[in-house]
Amino acid sequence: RKEVEQDPGPFNVPEGATVAFNCTYSNSASQSFFWYRQDCRKEPKLLMSVYSSGNEDGRFTAQLNRASQYISLLIRDSKLSDSATYLCVVNTNAGKSTFGDGTTLTVKP
Amino acid sequence: DGGITQSPKYLFRKEGQNVTLSCEQNLNHDAMYWYRQDPGQGLRLIYYSQIVNDFQKGDIAEGYSVSREKKESFPLTVTSAQKNPTAFYLCASSATANTEAFFGQGTRLTVV
Repeated sequence: RKEVEQDPGPFNVPEGATVAFNCTYSNSASQSFFWYRQDCRKEPKLLMSVYSSGNEDGRFTAQLNRASQYISLLIRDSKLSDSATYLCVVNTNAGKSTFGDGTTLTVKP
Repeated sequence: DGGITQSPKYLFRKEGQNVTLSCEQNLNHDAMYWYRQDPGQGLRLIYYSQIVNDFQKGDIAEGYSVSREKKESFPLTVTSAQKNPTAFYLCASSATANTEAFFGQGTRLTVV
């Protein structure tokens, strides 16, 4: 079993749709969690950190469920520019940082 | 400008040759990471370092070596023992183990 598993996708949604991605992790000692966005042939860029209390940044909401060991990302009112691959990242206290395989989102007009 | 610099952006090597990829950061970050990405795949951790003169193997360290002699530098050597070296290599750094990481623009290595 992989340490970090994501919905494989791809997700194809119309503009304005709400879409949710999930990511599960196996190491209960994991301490910090992030969502990144990666455009084709580019480096990943931080989208947002994920906190136990949940956090929101505009149309994006991230949540963490430590008991069930999963994190989620919700995108509301999807824009064409949201088309990208979304990667979840899980860090342990020992410094190991593991990425999920990514979920590809395509937003269509 | 502060950031992470990887060089070169594209690199071609003949099979059987060792090659070293450069990664430099001026963010004063303690932690640095190397990942490999194959087409259509996620990022896989090769090596990581939390502090100068210390580093740990990631999930796919075989055929690779690193050094961390200076805080700002974390070079990766792809040795001839790496069976399939052609890939996109990404370096990242973070202030500490539990903070967000920032990436360089990557090096695309092609071995022929």
